[in-house]
Amino acid sequence: GDSVTQMEGPVTLSEEAFLTINCTYTATGYPSLFWYVQYPGEGLQLLLKATKADDKGSNKGFEATYRKETTSFHLEKGSVQVSDSAVYFCALQNSNSGYALNFGKGTSLLVTP
Amino acid sequence: DTAVSQTPKYLVTQMGNDKSIKCEQNLGHDTMYWYKQDSKKFLKIMFSYNNKELIINETVPNRFSPKSPDKAHLNLHINSLELGDSAVYFCASSQDTGTRADTQYFGPGTRLTVL
Repeated sequence: GDSVTQMEGPVTLSEEAFLTINCTYTATGYPSLFWYVQYPGEGLQLLLKATKADDKGSNKGFEATYRKETTSFHLEKGSVQVSDSAVYFCALQNSNSGYALNFGKGTSLLVTP
Repeated sequence: DTAVSQTPKYLVTQMGNDKSIKCEQNLGHDTMYWYKQDSKKFLKIMFSYNNKELIINETVPNRFSPKSPDKAHLNLHINSLELGDSAVYFCASSQDTGTRADTQYFGPGTRLTVL
């Protein structure tokens, strides 16, 4: 079945550092890919998404490109802020699962001043 | 004007009890979901409803029963609660199943603790 693998955390960075959170997937067909963010004590918010190969999703300085050849959707940000501290989830959505989200295990990010 | 709301936010109960969690969305969406987030933050789909009809029913114990009185509500009833049911339960909604990349909007979660 479909699956998502993302790098284990926690990731600790200093403010203004470059962020990469790796995400790879296994899926049949043509899934859509998402990054969701969960701030402490809150629900999940969509950060960005991409629906087909080579699409780039972007939002709030975060970017991720749907790479079919490497089955990856790595999240990047050029300069993180303390307010970016959260748990980040990579997820895929596919027709063979009724379009429910299939999540990776989440990566906790802590940004220190 | 919360888009997806859940009640209660916290639920502490004894083993063996029966409890319900309510979810409402005011986005006019057709599809609603329940996800379970365990203590390690892993999220897994439990159920999905489209226009009050069950679409997805993952392998969850039959002690869990979703009920959708109308397309704006999807409640989760849990019978005979067990320690392993302790988790955070998230409700979500999206515009329509069958369409790729439907953005799912999540509620704030209900933290269930079974003692």
